[in-house]
Amino acid sequence: EDQVTQSPEALRLQEGESSSLNCSYTVSGLRGLFWYRQDPGKGPEFLFTLYSAGEEKEKERLKATLTKKESFLHITAPKPEDSATYLCAVVNSGYALNFGKGTSLLVTP
Amino acid sequence: KAGVTQTPRYLIKTRGQQVTLSCSPISGHRSVSWYQQTPGQGLQFLFEYFSETQRNKGNFPGRFSGRQFSNSRSEMNVSTLELGDSALYLCASSLNMEGEKLFFGSGTQLSVL
Repeated sequence: EDQVTQSPEALRLQEGESSSLNCSYTVSGLRGLFWYRQDPGKGPEFLFTLYSAGEEKEKERLKATLTKKESFLHITAPKPEDSATYLCAVVNSGYALNFGKGTSLLVTP
Repeated sequence: KAGVTQTPRYLIKTRGQQVTLSCSPISGHRSVSWYQQTPGQGLQFLFEYFSETQRNKGNFPGRFSGRQFSNSRSEMNVSTLELGDSALYLCASSLNMEGEKLFFGSGTQLSVL
């Protein structure tokens, strides 16, 4: 059965303090790994899709990487507006996303 | 371009009642998926529709059902509500490709008393 585990569950950073979020997965036949950001009271907002080991994608202060067993979301010099829950999800076959439980990130000034 | 629209935004029901939630996908998107989000279980897949046909279904009881109309709008229904059905119900749409990113609405917050 597909499994997606995110760590840590919660992370508190000072503004400017870089860190990484982890997403470990087991899936038979990965068709894509997704990162989403979710703000309170809103639906998840798409950030990145990664398809194969070694792939990297960047957007502003965020960089996502993928290996055969895990993905990292690196946050460089975060700002308070980066505070949100970050969700990782995989799709093997079909059209359903299997989500991890997320990492709640708080960035303080 | 308008995003995914879900109505109503909030809903309060009592045990045993039934509820219908509505979702309008992004224009041109033909695939609509539904997810349940709770603090304990996180986001869990309910079902996915394409061209009025259910293509994929998650591991939920038969009390949860859905449908899609010819204009791609979708509804989900929960019958005989239980306290544990209290959750944020999210709708997502996409064009049609497997492994494609989903665009989510803001959800319907359902509280069952």
